[in-house]
Amino acid sequence: EVQLVESGGALVQPGGSLRLSCAASGFSFRTYWMSWVRQAPGKGLECVANIKSDGSQEYYVDSVKGRFTISRDNAKNSLYLQMNSLRAEDTAMYYCARPGSYWAFDYWGQGTLVTVSS
Amino acid sequence: DIVMTQTPLSSPVTLGQPASISCRSSQSLVHSDGNTYLSWLQQRPGQPPRLLINKISNRLSGVPDRFSGSGAGTDFTLKISRVEAEDVGVYYCMQSTQSMWTFGQGTKVEIE
Repeated sequence: EVQLVESGGALVQPGGSLRLSCAASGFSFRTYWMSWVRQAPGKGLECVANIKSDGSQEYYVDSVKGRFTISRDNAKNSLYLQMNSLRAEDTAMYYCARPGSYWAFDYWGQGTLVTVSS
Repeated sequence: DIVMTQTPLSSPVTLGQPASISCRSSQSLVHSDGNTYLSWLQQRPGQPPRLLINKISNRLSGVPDRFSGSGAGTDFTLKISRVEAEDVGVYYCMQSTQSMWTFGQGTKVEIE
């Protein structure tokens, strides 16, 4: 059974940093691209970052470029999101998601909540 | 980035009646490999999203056949032939043809 379990969400002050983790199991993690998708309270979905299966390519939405870094450790079946210079508008539930066939997100974690507030 | 526009944003539906959601992209979703990477997801209250359909019309295993997808180019549609109570939630279209992948604003389906 495929499982994605996020952790690391917290309340953080503006300008602060946070590192999110996603533990993957039940599939060959090293062969899949992986993504972080966020959802602000009461709002829609936004794909924040994607990373290639071997970690050699990364893509970011413009609003987080230069502040967020996606990474992975295939030996540990883990995905990460380092978030720096956090802003109030980064407040959201952050989901780890797997792009499967035809690049559609076929598996999602339950999410981890990030709140940026003073 | 490609902008995805869904209509309507809210869809009150009577149980057993059909529902239809439109999704329009700001540019063609036909990839250079010939495929169109358009998917539909359902998000029930308090839950993460769930993939229903990929590549315009391929229904995922376990998804009821009352859900169907269609369209081409820039115009796509999700139809629910007969809405059931468990279908309440927000539905999103998503394009993964061009980076960064983008979602529609979401359409809330509720029972009237």
